[in-house]
Amino acid sequence: AQSVTQLDSQVPVFEEAPVELRCNYSSSVSVYLFWYVQYPNQGLQLLLKYLSGSTLVKGINGFEAEFNKSQTSFHLRKPSVHISDTAEYFCAVSRSGYALNFGKGTSLLVTP
Amino acid sequence: DSGVTQTPKHLITATGQRVTLRCSPRSGDLSVYWYQQSLDQGLQFLIHYYNGEERAKGNILERFSAQQFPDLHSELNLSSLELGDSALYFCASSPLPDTEAFFGQGTRLTVV
Repeated sequence: AQSVTQLDSQVPVFEEAPVELRCNYSSSVSVYLFWYVQYPNQGLQLLLKYLSGSTLVKGINGFEAEFNKSQTSFHLRKPSVHISDTAEYFCAVSRSGYALNFGKGTSLLVTP
Repeated sequence: DSGVTQTPKHLITATGQRVTLRCSPRSGDLSVYWYQQSLDQGLQFLIHYYNGEERAKGNILERFSAQQFPDLHSELNLSSLELGDSALYFCASSPLPDTEAFFGQGTRLTVV
């Protein structure tokens, strides 16, 4: 079965600084990869997805992620964060016909 | 707004009781997923329905059951409730099983 490990439970960062949220997955078959964001008291919103094709994926709100098959990683990056990016971020993996399997989440805290 | 509607938003009930959570998927989406989110377990996949048929089961307790109706809305039934069942329950939908899922706002269940 496929699984996801989010390596950092909390990431504090100053406003306008770059950020990287790390995600590693394990699977013996081809997978699809996703990043979701959850703001307080809200549902999950899709940031970006990798299904196939280009390994660099651009999403909403200036986020991007790179699929690295050899390192089984799908790290999320943003060159300059805003206070409004403070939220919980979830990496998820699935394979054809199966539901999403989520990591434990990374809490991004952006301070002035 | 993801287009996925969950009712009720909040539910407070006593131990031993039974509740039903309702989900209306996005128009045209055939897949419905249920997830449980708690502080200690994170986001746990419960069950997946596709076009009325159960497709996959995750960490769903025997006290819990679900169904998807001909109009594609879904209900999650939780019975003999325990304090530990207190959590956020999310419904998500997708047009096909291996594409991204769109999440509702969740139902916050509190068992007292």
